[in-house]
Amino acid sequence: QKEVEQDPGPLSVPEGAIVSLNCTYSNSAFQYFMWYRQYSRKGPELLMYTYSSGNKEDGRFTAQVDKSSKYISLFIRDSQPSDSATYLCAMSLYSSASKIIFGSGTRLSIRP
Amino acid sequence: GAVVSQHPSRVICKSGTSVKIECRSLDFQATTMFWYRQFPKQSLMLMATSNEGSKATYEQGVEKDKFLINHASLTLSTLTVTSAHPEDSSFYICSARLDRGPFQDSYEQYFGPGTRLTVT
Repeated sequence: QKEVEQDPGPLSVPEGAIVSLNCTYSNSAFQYFMWYRQYSRKGPELLMYTYSSGNKEDGRFTAQVDKSSKYISLFIRDSQPSDSATYLCAMSLYSSASKIIFGSGTRLSIRP
Repeated sequence: GAVVSQHPSRVICKSGTSVKIECRSLDFQATTMFWYRQFPKQSLMLMATSNEGSKATYEQGVEKDKFLINHASLTLSTLTVTSAHPEDSSFYICSARLDRGPFQDSYEQYFGPGTRLTVT
């Protein structure tokens, strides 16, 4: 069993839709949870960063962490074609700058 | 701020040769840098943690003699793939740690744009 499981997609939704991306994990010791966006042939870019359980909102993006279920989510409201990318969930034990375990990524396509 | 660059962005080399990839933090000093490898449609896998002025720490299963890491300054880490083989073809990504405060939860990690290596 992988430490972090993420549906690879691809996921295709129309412009303006709400997108829900999810990951599950097995290590209950993870404390830091991150979402990265990666465009084709580029390095990942940090979108959201959450410590422990709870919600965090930043513009059109909302990250949720449920440690009791070992489940994290990223919601994108009013999705735009420019949101088309691969979204990677990631988590670590101590901080966002210690060893990070990545999910395999979900390819998202927003149709105009 | 917090920009990380990599050079080259892509490289093609012949089997048996060595290739060096550079990772630079452009506007901050990084005592710690990380090297990842990403195969097509797969996740990033940490290869090693590079600390300035000391030996790198390699993840299990990564050959330290094949993937040589040198972190000689606070802004530069290099990864050398020695005696490259076609199975080493991959996307190599580095990241650098920015310490915004004295505690671990104030550290942030910034990624470079990646280097695509093709071994023929």
